[in-house]
Amino acid sequence: RKEVEQDPGPFNVPEGATVAFNCTYSNSASQSFFWYRQDCRKEPKLLMSVYSSGNEDGRFTAQLNRASQYISLLIRDSKLSDSATYLCVVKRAGGFKTIFGAGTRLFVKA
Amino acid sequence: DTGVSQNPRHKITKRGQNVTFRCDPISEHNRLYWYRQTLGQGPEFLTYFQNEAQLEKSRLLSDRFSAERPKGSFSTLEIQRTEQGDSAMYLCASSPKERVNEKLFFGSGTQLSVL
Repeated sequence: RKEVEQDPGPFNVPEGATVAFNCTYSNSASQSFFWYRQDCRKEPKLLMSVYSSGNEDGRFTAQLNRASQYISLLIRDSKLSDSATYLCVVKRAGGFKTIFGAGTRLFVKA
Repeated sequence: DTGVSQNPRHKITKRGQNVTFRCDPISEHNRLYWYRQTLGQGPEFLTYFQNEAQLEKSRLLSDRFSAERPKGSFSTLEIQRTEQGDSAMYLCASSPKERVNEKLFFGSGTQLSVL
């Protein structure tokens, strides 16, 4: 079993739609959580960190459920430019490894 | 541009040859990571440096792989006796020393093709 698991998708949604991605992690000692975005043939870039109380950044909302060991990302009012792969990322407490999920692909269509 | 720089961008080599990649992190970042990414997968952790010390190395990394960061600045990743399965994008990332949430800044990567 992979340490970080995501639905690979693809999610095909129209512009303006709301879409949600989930991610589960297996190591209960995980401490820090992130969502990264990766465009085709580009490097990953931080989208947002995920805090225990949940956090929002514009159209993006991230939630963390430590008891169930899952993380979610909600995108409201999808734009064409949101088309990308979204990577769920987990960092263990006291360690250095930052573990990436395989990513969820999103296609937003006009 | 003061981002993470990787060279070369592309490398094509024949099976059995040795290759070396270079990463120049953001200058004030003391943490440096190497990752490998294949099509349809997320980046896979290879190794981590804090300054010049290599503090963690993936068990997936065979003895053919070695990484150095001699002066705590740039880093090199060498693959000896390359195999076709080594074909991948090799990504370098750096980060500053922060308390909790540590953002990784990635370079554009080196795409390796082993023929």
